[in-house]
Amino acid sequence: GENVEQHPSTLSVQEGDSAVIKCTYSDSASNYFPWYKQELGKRPQLIIDIRSNVGEKKDQRIAVTLNKTAKHFSLHITETQPEDSAVYFCAAIGWYGGSQGNLIFGKGTKLSVKP
Amino acid sequence: GAGVSQSPSNKVTEKGKDVELRCDPISGHTALYWYRQSLGQGLEFLIYFQGNSAPDKSGLPSDRFSAERTGGSVSTLTIQRTQQEDSAVYLCASSLGTSGAKQFFGPGTRLTVL
Repeated sequence: GENVEQHPSTLSVQEGDSAVIKCTYSDSASNYFPWYKQELGKRPQLIIDIRSNVGEKKDQRIAVTLNKTAKHFSLHITETQPEDSAVYFCAAIGWYGGSQGNLIFGKGTKLSVKP
Repeated sequence: GAGVSQSPSNKVTEKGKDVELRCDPISGHTALYWYRQSLGQGLEFLIYFQGNSAPDKSGLPSDRFSAERTGGSVSTLTIQRTQQEDSAVYLCASSLGTSGAKQFFGPGTRLTVL
């Protein structure tokens, strides 16, 4: 089945710097890759997603890139702000009975943005 | 519109007791998922329902765990004879369908087994 690896597990940056989180996946059939942000004590919130028919997607200060050949995708946050501090999870979609279903998550990256 | 809701928000139980956790998905969402998040850990898939299809139970950790979805809407996750290692936050998510549909999470139920 699908397996998702995420690095780094913790990341500390200065306010205004960029942050990059990387994930790899194992199942070449996966074609949907969301990123979730989870603040302490809160539910995971979808912040951006990408499908395998595109290589990059941007939404203001957030971008995601996908390399299907290498089976890895990355989250890029530019001009980081203290409110970006949270745990970020990447995910890939799994398969069941020939159709797609649940998400397989990476173990998360704790991002700390220092003022 | 209303998002995914879960109840109770917190549940403390004694080892060996049974518990039921409830999830109300977003109206119109046909797919419903249960995940578990242990303290400081990632999200572990448990089970998902899609319409009237047989649920994917491949993530359930033991036969003490079961779930049902009545009328294609509300779902209940039941844990029988709870153990301390069952302590975690149980998260429910729903989506319009599968095949890469966006999943939206509920606030979770924090289960503590004493």
